[in-house]
Amino acid sequence: KAGVTQTPRYLIKTRGQQVTLSCSPISGHRSVSWYQQTPGQGLQFLFEYFSETQRNKGNFPGRFSGRQFSNSRSEMNVSTLELGDSALYLCASSLGPSGGANEQFFGPGTRLTVL
Amino acid sequence: GQQLNQSPQSMFIQEGEDVSMNCTSSSIFNTWLWYKQDPGEGPVLLIALYKAGELTSNGRLTAQFGITRKDSFLNISASIPSDVGIYFCAGLTGNQFYFGTGTSLTVIP
Repeated sequence: KAGVTQTPRYLIKTRGQQVTLSCSPISGHRSVSWYQQTPGQGLQFLFEYFSETQRNKGNFPGRFSGRQFSNSRSEMNVSTLELGDSALYLCASSLGPSGGANEQFFGPGTRLTVL
Repeated sequence: GQQLNQSPQSMFIQEGEDVSMNCTSSSIFNTWLWYKQDPGEGPVLLIALYKAGELTSNGRLTAQFGITRKDSFLNISASIPSDVGIYFCAGLTGNQFYFGTGTSLTVIP
């Protein structure tokens, strides 16, 4: 069974631009969560989608948004990029929503660098 | 947000030694997960714990869900060079996972 895939793996953008990251969960998984990982802050929760609905949202500004499609694939968008948005963005999939104590499996991440 | 205190921050050990690390919180968690992350990769799930007091093994790894539900422990026995990496704990409370700051493990051959 294929794991979680994320595209692209690496991305370089400049301040003010926007970016869209993609995540394909494990086949059969319906929940996708997004995290930002930086050396200083560690893993920070962005949001979770289940059945095309956002279930939870972390403490990030409105520039960070996401969506989930009917095939459970998810996209994350960051608008008006700032230098501080440089990070590894991780997607995790699980069978069901987090509240059901479903294990999360991570993708390899997208390394975003903002210049 | 919830705080997960993971310790130690880093460890340098000789190959063959045992390793212990833990995560503690002032909050109660319903699930504890332990992950290992290699540089440039996403975290890989090692062990999942669902009940207070639960002790689960995965090869040389053993993890426990603390009785108070506020902590969890991970032990690695007879460490080998490929154990090198960063280990994270994650606790589930409500509908969200919170992560520890990681333990960086270096194994000296």
